Amino acid sequence: GDSVTQMEGPVTLSEEAFLTINCTYTATGYPSLFWYVQYPGEGLQLLLKATKADDKGSNKGFEATYRKETTSFHLEKGSVQVSDSAVYFCALSTSGTYKYIFGTGTRLKVLA
Amino acid sequence: EPEVTQTPSHQVTQMGQEVILRCVPISNHLYFYWYRQILGQKVEFLVSFYNNEISEKSEIFDDQFSVERPDGSNFTLKIRSTKLEDSAMYFCASTAATGSTYEQYFGPGTRLTVT
Repeated sequence: GDSVTQMEGPVTLSEEAFLTINCTYTATGYPSLFWYVQYPGEGLQLLLKATKADDKGSNKGFEATYRKETTSFHLEKGSVQVSDSAVYFCALSTSGTYKYIFGTGTRLKVLA
Repeated sequence: EPEVTQTPSHQVTQMGQEVILRCVPISNHLYFYWYRQILGQKVEFLVSFYNNEISEKSEIFDDQFSVERPDGSNFTLKIRSTKLEDSAMYFCASTAATGSTYEQYFGPGTRLTVT
């Protein structure tokens, strides 16, 4: 079945470091791909999305490119801030179904 | 900005008891979902709901679970007889339309602890 695999956390970085969180997927159809972020005590918030191959989603300095050839949707940010500390979830959705399939989430901790 | 709300934020219950988790989706949304996350594990889909019917459910969503939209604003998840393994964070979500490109809006979750 469809699945999402994320890199294990926690990831600890110093402020202004470069961030990559890996996400790969397996899907039978042509999924839409999402990154959600969960700040402490809050719900899951959409960070960015891409709905077809080679699309790049971007928001708040974060980017991810839908790579069909490598079935990947890695999250990147050039310079992280302490306020980016959160849990990041990669997810997919395929047509004909209503559900999201999530990865396990990656906890990011940014140190000042 | 409109948001999905959930109550309570934390519920502690004894094994075998019934619990009802409540959600208020965004007001003009039509599709509603429940997910759960057992500590340290993936967020898992439970059920989707549209037009007062379940549109899709996972194998987790057995006869112990039910959902209801009792009025125009609330969306509830009932667990009839809780088990220890039901301890998890439960997330409600809603969306204005269905289709893989539409984002789901999530609530902050209810942490259910079964003792």
